[in-house]
Amino acid sequence: SQELEQSPQSLIVQEGKNLTINCTSSKTLYGLYWYKQKYGEGLIFLMMLQKGGEEKSHEKITAKLDEKKQQSSLHITASQPSHAGIYLCGADRWNTDKLIFGTGTRLQVFP
Amino acid sequence: EAGVAQSPRYKIIEKRQSVAFWCNPISGHATLYWYQQILGQGPKLLIQFQNNGVVDDSQLPKDRFSAERLKGVDSTLKIQPAKLEDSAVYLCASSLGQGAVYEQYFGPGTRLTVT
Repeated sequence: SQELEQSPQSLIVQEGKNLTINCTSSKTLYGLYWYKQKYGEGLIFLMMLQKGGEEKSHEKITAKLDEKKQQSSLHITASQPSHAGIYLCGADRWNTDKLIFGTGTRLQVFP
Repeated sequence: EAGVAQSPRYKIIEKRQSVAFWCNPISGHATLYWYQQILGQGPKLLIQFQNNGVVDDSQLPKDRFSAERLKGVDSTLKIQPAKLEDSAVYLCASSLGQGAVYEQYFGPGTRLTVT
C-alpha cells in the first residue's frame, strides 16, 4: 500500500470554483511538501510544512498540516486554467531529505 | 539562475538495449537525486549523491542500473539492459545540501519508452 495516500485521484472543476486535495499518512511526518507537475515537465515546488497546525499561502493556494502531522490539505481558491496539472505531496519521515511521494492528483480546470 | 538541465528529453529503445541519461544540476548544489516516475505514480528515489559520493542507492536495481557523478557536478544514469518495466520518466533534482530544509529543484525529466 502507498505510504502517502492522495485524494481525489483526479478532479475536474469549472473555472472560479474552489477545490481541496488531501494527503494522508499512517505515520507522523517530519515535513510535508507540495509540488505541481505539468505534463512533460519536472516538479515545481509549492510549499513546505513542518509544524503541526501550520498553514501557508501563496497567491490562491493554501496548504495546511494537521496537529498530528499526519494529514495535509491543499486548497485552491477561485481556480483558473493555469492551476491545471498534477499535484503531488511528498513527505520526509526520517528527518532526512529522502522524500516519498503520493500518487498525485490530476486537476483539470475548464472555462 | 539556470535550472536543472536534463537530456535527452525523450528516448525510445527496444528491450535489452542500453540507454544513458545526463543531468546538470544547479551550480553550487552539492546534492543530486535521480528519481523514477512510472505513469500514474509519484516519483521514486533511485539514488542520491552528496558531491561525488553516493548517500543512498537502496532502491536502485543495481543489476541493470548504474549512476555516477565523477566530478561532483554532472551525473549520468545508465540502464543496461533495459526492460519493458523501465518505461518511465527519469527526473533529476538537486539541492544545496542534505536535510529537510533544503528545497529540491527538479529538471524537466527524460521520458523513456522501452518497446
